[in-house]
Amino acid sequence: NAGVTQTPKFRILKIGQSMTLQCAQDMNHNYMYWYRQDPGMGLKLIYYSVGAGITDKGEVPNGYNVSRSTTEDFPLRLELAAPSQTSVYFCASSYDRASYEQYFGPGTRLTVT
Amino acid sequence: EDKVVQSPLSLVVHEGDTVTLNCSYEVTNFRSLLWYKQEKKAPTFLFMLTSSGIEKKSGRLSSILDKKELFSILNITATQTGDSAVYLCAATLNSGYALNFGKGTSLLVTP
Repeated sequence: NAGVTQTPKFRILKIGQSMTLQCAQDMNHNYMYWYRQDPGMGLKLIYYSVGAGITDKGEVPNGYNVSRSTTEDFPLRLELAAPSQTSVYFCASSYDRASYEQYFGPGTRLTVT
Repeated sequence: EDKVVQSPLSLVVHEGDTVTLNCSYEVTNFRSLLWYKQEKKAPTFLFMLTSSGIEKKSGRLSSILDKKELFSILNITATQTGDSAVYLCAATLNSGYALNFGKGTSLLVTP
């Protein structure tokens, strides 16, 4: 049972490039989330999904897209990367609504220069 | 606007001290408040609180929620250097689907 896995661990992008951050969980959780964490700040929700085929925007969705074709996978797509997207990205999952414990992946540290 | 405020933002104590971390919240349709510990990487779950006045305890850590005054505290007794971390609290957003995090309290325990 690997829990929540994320790839890559680190990435440097040039302005205007695109990339996909991968996230997978093997706990059969319906709910999955993407957060970003800027230095000295708490986590901010980008997108979430309540099940395969269903996604919705969080607090800071601009510049990102997601898809959820399976229960296990929840990739985050960055289009036209900007320096403001330099951050650490965490994927999380939970069995049920957010009132239950969320399990976090190890994070992806992204730098846009 | 939903918000979660933690205090202090940072704290330095000596091993063996007791610390109290604070978290106040204003969240529409509050469901629960969660505490996480974040060391170098991902946050790890500590407690979930849904009812006022009921203390949750795990070893040297304990936490309690006051739904009337809209705050929670996290206590750590007999601190150890391994307690050094950022402690995050989070409340559910009004949608109930995700967590609204505070900025965290950075705790450093010195030998």
